[in-house]
Amino acid sequence: GIQVEQSPPDLILQEGANSTLRCNFSDSVNNLQWFHQNPWGQLINLFYIPSGTKQNGRLSATTVATERYSLLYISSSQTTDSGVYFCAVEADRGSTLGRLYFGRGTQLTVWP
Amino acid sequence: GAGVSQSPSNKVTEKGKDVELRCDPISGHTALYWYRQSLGQGLEFLIYFQGNSAPDKSGLPSDRFSAERTGGSVSTLTIQRTQQEDSAVYLCASSMIARGLFTDTQYFGPGTRLTVL
Repeated sequence: GIQVEQSPPDLILQEGANSTLRCNFSDSVNNLQWFHQNPWGQLINLFYIPSGTKQNGRLSATTVATERYSLLYISSSQTTDSGVYFCAVEADRGSTLGRLYFGRGTQLTVWP
Repeated sequence: GAGVSQSPSNKVTEKGKDVELRCDPISGHTALYWYRQSLGQGLEFLIYFQGNSAPDKSGLPSDRFSAERTGGSVSTLTIQRTQQEDSAVYLCASSMIARGLFTDTQYFGPGTRLTVL
């Protein structure tokens, strides 16, 4: 299956700071999603972004499919941004269509 | 409903007992997935249902695990003779199918936390 690597594994920020999370993947993909897992364990969709750039409020994401990476930008971070951020991809060929492969996540802690 | 729902939210069972976990997908979503999240293994795929096609069961860790989807909607994941290593959060997701075979955004339910004593 596809390998998904996220960096950094841990990130500690002061409220108001900006950050960039990275996701590298080992093969071409059809689907790439960014999730935020809140302290209660719920996986919240942030972006569906197999290619291109999207923005939603203080968050934006860019996927460069030809170079097999995606970036998640968080600006003016808030304490409520704390949690684990996951990148997940679906291969665009083969027997694994449909399933998402997840990275190990980035644990973000934002201090007031 | 508005989102994917799962029940129960928590389940504590004794080793060797059978458990059933339920998932109600978003209305109209043709694809349904089960994943599990454990400390050692992270988030891993278990099984995928798409419409009336045979499910992709290749992620199920052993023959003690099975799943069915009735009427193209509700799904039940059954674990027989539970073991302590089955302790994890079991997550269900659903999606539409875009562009023929490829999936659209997968939406996740809140999960069922299973503890096997």
